Amino acid sequence: NAGVTQTPKFQVLKTGQSMTLQCAQDMNHEYMSWYRQDPGMGLRLIHYSVGAGITDQGEVPNGYNVSRSTTEDFPLRLLSAAPSQTSVYFCASSTPGVTKKAFFGQGTRLTVV
Amino acid sequence: DQQVKQNSPSLSVQEGRISILNCDYTNSMFDYFLWYKKYPAEGPTFLISISSIKDKNEDGRFTVFLNKSAKHLSLHIVPSQPGDSAVYFCAAIIQGAQKLVFGQGTRLTINP
Repeated sequence: NAGVTQTPKFQVLKTGQSMTLQCAQDMNHEYMSWYRQDPGMGLRLIHYSVGAGITDQGEVPNGYNVSRSTTEDFPLRLLSAAPSQTSVYFCASSTPGVTKKAFFGQGTRLTVV
Repeated sequence: DQQVKQNSPSLSVQEGRISILNCDYTNSMFDYFLWYKKYPAEGPTFLISISSIKDKNEDGRFTVFLNKSAKHLSLHIVPSQPGDSAVYFCAAIIQGAQKLVFGQGTRLTINP
């Protein structure tokens, strides 16, 4: 009963490096999303997906790419990391219907130096 | 453009008393509201929700109140317990919009 699994838990990148944050869920949810949490800013939506092959932008999409090839996986890619992307990243998958009750992973703490 | 606002970054309450966390929103199209609780080094977990057709929803020690005319919701925790110490986020959604919008969070500390 894993729920939402994010890897890695911690990562340090140099400016300009690329990496992929992994997210997998085993609840067969169609809706998945990525958020970043910054002090005083709450959780801000980066990208989301309503099903395999369908993605869309959230509030703060710049600098991030996503794809959704399967229902289970929703990776987040940073193509050229910048210090402004230092944050805690959360992946979530949500129940169907209007309620969108979200189940979150444990987060990835990313530092870009 | 913060559509969901939690204006109190922190709140300290004595154990056994009532904790009241507040949340304001600006978009009148929001029609479903949720509260999440977050412990350090963990992801947020769902706590309680309310539809815009209701003004109150209760689940054990937790009650959420919605005042649509004021665009305000609040979370009441009675009685407060040490394990309630966490960051609480309110969130709102527009049906069909597929986007959950969060507030900034309020750090609740329950003192023994």
